[in-house]
Amino acid sequence: ETGVTQTPRHLVMGMTNKKSLKCEQHLGHNAMYWYKQSAKKPLELMFVYNFKEQTENNSVPSRFSPECPNSSHLFLHLHTLQPEDSALYLCASTNTGELFFGEGSRLTVL
Amino acid sequence: TQLLEQSPQFLSIQEGENLTVYCNSSSVFSSLQWYRQEPGEGPVLLVTVVTGGEVKKLKRLTFQFGDARKDSSLHITAAQPGDTGLYLCAGVWGLRSTLTFGKGTMLLVSP
Repeated sequence: ETGVTQTPRHLVMGMTNKKSLKCEQHLGHNAMYWYKQSAKKPLELMFVYNFKEQTENNSVPSRFSPECPNSSHLFLHLHTLQPEDSALYLCASTNTGELFFGEGSRLTVL
Repeated sequence: TQLLEQSPQFLSIQEGENLTVYCNSSSVFSSLQWYRQEPGEGPVLLVTVVTGGEVKKLKRLTFQFGDARKDSSLHITAAQPGDTGLYLCAGVWGLRSTLTFGKGTMLLVSP
């Protein structure tokens, strides 16, 4: 059982679809993050949750909607995405500031 | 916005060669981390450095934190194909608690 698990690993969706990415961590961490990784760009922090409360929203468009029902689970709900949203979406968790990442969900928006 | 520059962007070498990659900022880091990301995977933490002048070794990898805590380097001795991946540095400045990542150095080690 890996520390941070993301599903699905790959997702292809049209611009009018609604889909969700899921992240689960088995490390007992209190903070969970969503990052976006695009080619030739640094990892972009999207959202931070501490003890289920959102503590950071890095000016992310509203077509991305996070949900954190408990400290172990984090979702990213996707709606009316654009082709430029195609990227690798990484979830991470931590208690100390040292991040443990999942393997990512590769999203392609057609 | 804090900027973190990594160089080179891409490095292709033969097995057995040595290499150094760099991470620089114009501001003083509170701490700095190095991660390696293999193709199709998420980044994995290699090391955290906190003290200026600090040197940490992880097998064939040597990490150095600059005296002024504005720069860091990663030196790999006798590179192997398994070292192939994207090397990311990430820093924390001042009172911020979240990391800012560089674009990374993509390393390709050929047999």
